[in-house]
Amino acid sequence: AAGVIQSPRHLIKEKRETATLKCYPIPRHDTVYWYQQGPGQDPQFLISFYEKMQSDKGSIPDRFSAQQFSDYHSELNMSSLELGDSALYFCASSWRGRLNTEAFFGQGTRLTVV
Amino acid sequence: AQKVTQAQTEISVVEKEDVTLDCVYETRDTTYYLFWYKQPPSGELVFLIRRNSFDEQNEISGRYSWNFQKSTSSFNFTITASQVVDSAVYFCALSEGGNAGGTSYGKLTFGQGTILTVHP
Repeated sequence: AAGVIQSPRHLIKEKRETATLKCYPIPRHDTVYWYQQGPGQDPQFLISFYEKMQSDKGSIPDRFSAQQFSDYHSELNMSSLELGDSALYFCASSWRGRLNTEAFFGQGTRLTVV
Repeated sequence: AQKVTQAQTEISVVEKEDVTLDCVYETRDTTYYLFWYKQPPSGELVFLIRRNSFDEQNEISGRYSWNFQKSTSSFNFTITASQVVDSAVYFCALSEGGNAGGTSYGKLTFGQGTILTVHP
């Protein structure tokens, strides 16, 4: 079965650079969620989109922005990268229009800022 | 505000032992959803179970079982006859109730995680 696809899997950037993370949800899933997991930490909710509109916002820095496109894939844009942005970034998707579907997570993008 | 507490930071057991991972949650919502996820060393988050607040039935799936008790706001996870492959970080998570347009299970508040190490 198709799963949530995230790209790239690994990314190394320098301080003050920008990064773009991509997420391709499971087919027919209409909701995408972004999480940030620092080393040794639990995942923290950043932002979510439902039917291409932002639906919830968590602890996402102003330097970050995200959107969901017409094909339901989503991109997380991160600018002016800081060392503290080094983390595992997860995308998850769910089918909000249908009950009893939990969120399925991608394998994550490991971002290292040097 | 929602909160999930996993008091056990690390647990170490020997293969074939039973182990219980504790999870206590706080929420003001009357409808909510509880989850357990497994994060093996490879890093991905693997969904294990979802429980609705209105369904207190315990559940068993192979060597895994879950005990949900609303009276104590706990949702504990037991692995019977543990195996080395069970070694991972286990997260308990909470999602609030219905949103307009349907129920969204993906906005999760995670606990701090419990690192389980199973020794051969």
